Amino acid sequence: DTAVSQTPKYLVTQMGNDKSIKCEQNLGHDTMYWYKQDSKKFLKIMFSYNNKELIINETVPNRFSPKSPDKAHLNLHINSLELGDSAVYFCASSPIQGHKLFFGSGTQLSVL
Amino acid sequence: GENVEQHPSTLSVQEGDSAVIKCTYSDSASNYFPWYKQELGKGPQLIIDIRSNVGEKKDQRIAVTLNKTAKHFSLHITETQPEDSAVYFCAAEYQGAQKLVFGQGTRLTINP
Repeated sequence: DTAVSQTPKYLVTQMGNDKSIKCEQNLGHDTMYWYKQDSKKFLKIMFSYNNKELIINETVPNRFSPKSPDKAHLNLHINSLELGDSAVYFCASSPIQGHKLFFGSGTQLSVL
Repeated sequence: GENVEQHPSTLSVQEGDSAVIKCTYSDSASNYFPWYKQELGKGPQLIIDIRSNVGEKKDQRIAVTLNKTAKHFSLHITETQPEDSAVYFCAAEYQGAQKLVFGQGTRLTINP
């Protein structure tokens, strides 16, 4: 039933590790996104994909690599995790680029 | 640049009173302005949106007004209820970049 689902919900890991977050949407949308929400609740776009093609790549360290195997999935892999990567990461999808985003419930990443 | 300013950052109102949150944006070409509600531990949820060809839109107790000339838009919640307590985000679509840029968020508390 869940429209945009992401796993895991919580991720606690050590500095220097590599981790992945997975996202799937069953809404039939062409566009998917990754947003980062910091401790002050500020929401900032990281990436967007349209039908598996990278559309937006904000100034994100290249340790972050998104992958879209098909238009219903957008995963986020993070290499060499740093303390500053601790945040909540939200996946979202929309029927049109930049319009009516549906968000997942978030992945709280804590880097120790 | 891409900027959405949102005020106030916190707002506390008595149950039954009205709440107003205001946002300004910088790109005169922006045409789409959604509002999101984020409850604790959940992802942002779209509650209402407005396009630039409309000055006002209402949905039950929620209304949004848009002044394109002044580049600002506002969320109005009437007859507030405890379940309205949440963090609210405005956003503006930046067409050149086809993305939503979010305001800083307003933590709304409804006091019984």
